[in-house]
Amino acid sequence: NAGVMQNPRHLVRRRGQEARLRCSPMKGHSHVYWYRQLPEEGLKFMVYLQKENIIDESGMPKERFSAEFPKEGPSILRIQQVVRGDSAAYFCASSPFGNEQFFGPGTRLTVL
Amino acid sequence: GDSVTQMEGPVTLSEEAFLTINCTYTATGYPSLFWYVQYPGEGLQLLLKATKADDKGSNKGFEATYRKETTSFHLEKGSVQVSDSAVYFCALPNTGNQFYFGTGTSLTVIP
Repeated sequence: NAGVMQNPRHLVRRRGQEARLRCSPMKGHSHVYWYRQLPEEGLKFMVYLQKENIIDESGMPKERFSAEFPKEGPSILRIQQVVRGDSAAYFCASSPFGNEQFFGPGTRLTVL
Repeated sequence: GDSVTQMEGPVTLSEEAFLTINCTYTATGYPSLFWYVQYPGEGLQLLLKATKADDKGSNKGFEATYRKETTSFHLEKGSVQVSDSAVYFCALPNTGNQFYFGTGTSLTVIP
């Protein structure tokens, strides 16, 4: 059973561009979580999704950020008009029942 | 609200030294408690967990005991190795199943 997959592993964007981060949960997992890790900081919760539903987006910035988890395909975290402060590692985690979470290797976003 | 407070690093130890990384929590009820480890350039991996008070989680020589009287879940290892160099995160889930993470403690073990 493959683990949580995230791609790309590294993403470089210029200010004002869009960033799309993808997460494929473990097989059989229907709960997906996104976290952001700023340099020298811990992980901060962003959003919790189940298939086709956003369950909790209390950690998402109100503007420019969106997430989806469609019926088919990976979960997508989308950041529009990126700014330098968006540079961080973005981690996805999946869970079968909404308890223990299994983390992907992360996407490291650098905004130039 | 729920939270975890973790000992700040960085921590540098010699090989075979004893390790303690402190973690205290604030929570409603008695949630499960977790320690995650992040090796350089990688994602988080579950190191150990405890699901109720007085439980001891253990893995790879690491141990942590869930103590409700002191609201603590300190991580310990009797003899660290160079390969233990990583960042360690204490975490607890809230009722919505998101995790609250501590700020992380960076451990470097020197030969």
